[in-house]
Amino acid sequence: GQQLNQSPQSMFIQEGEDVSMNCTSSSIFNTWLWYKQDPGEGPVLLIALYKAGELTSNGRLTAQFGITRKDSFLNISASIPSDVGIYFCAGNAGGTSYGKLTFGQGTILTVHP
Amino acid sequence: NAGVTQTPKFQVLKTGQSMTLQCAQDMNHNSMYWYRQDPGMGLRLIYYSASEGTTDKGEVPNGYNVSRLNKREFSLRLESAAPSQTSVYFCASSSGVGPDTQYFGPGTRLTVL
Repeated sequence: GQQLNQSPQSMFIQEGEDVSMNCTSSSIFNTWLWYKQDPGEGPVLLIALYKAGELTSNGRLTAQFGITRKDSFLNISASIPSDVGIYFCAGNAGGTSYGKLTFGQGTILTVHP
Repeated sequence: NAGVTQTPKFQVLKTGQSMTLQCAQDMNHNSMYWYRQDPGMGLRLIYYSASEGTTDKGEVPNGYNVSRLNKREFSLRLESAAPSQTSVYFCASSSGVGPDTQYFGPGTRLTVL
C-alpha cells in the first residue's frame, strides 16, 4: 500500500529558530495536507495543497506541493513555544481512493524558550 | 458550530467486552472516517463512509464494525475488545466533494485490560 515517510521524527529547537520538515511518498498524490496535533487533542488542519508546485502560506507557516507530486515540505519561521506539538503530513491519491488519506508518522516538535 | 464531536472521551474495558464509540458532525459533510492512532504510527484508517448509506473498509478494519446512522452520525463498534485495540480513536469528516480536506474530532482514549 501507499506509504508516507516523514522526517525528522523529532526536533528540539530554540524559540525564534526556523523549522523545516518534509514528507516523501513512493507514489503520486493529488492532495497534500499538513496537520498539527496538540497533546490530548485531534489533528487540526494547517495548510492544504492541491496543485503540483503550489506554495502556500498561513502566517508563519509555508508549505509546498512537490513538482513530482511525491513530496511536500512544511516550514515554520521564527518558532514560538505554542508551536510545540506533533505535525503530520497526509496525502490523498484521488481516483478510487478519493477522500481517503494516508498519514506520515509525525514530527514531534519541542521549542525551548 | 461544534464541528466533529466524539463520545466518550475516555473508556476502560475488559477483554471481551463490547462498546460503541459515537461520532457526530454538524458541518453537513457527506463523508466520515474512523482512525486509530498508536505511538509512532501516525493515524490509520479503520473504516470510512463516503456518503450516507455506504461504508467501506480502511487499512485496519479487523475487530471493528461501523454504522452510518444518518448524515450526521457515524459510530464505531468493538464487539469483543482485545488489548491490541488499546488506542486513541479519532473520527473525521469531509465534504466529499472536489479536492477534499478532513476535520477531526477530539478523540476517544480507549484502554482494554
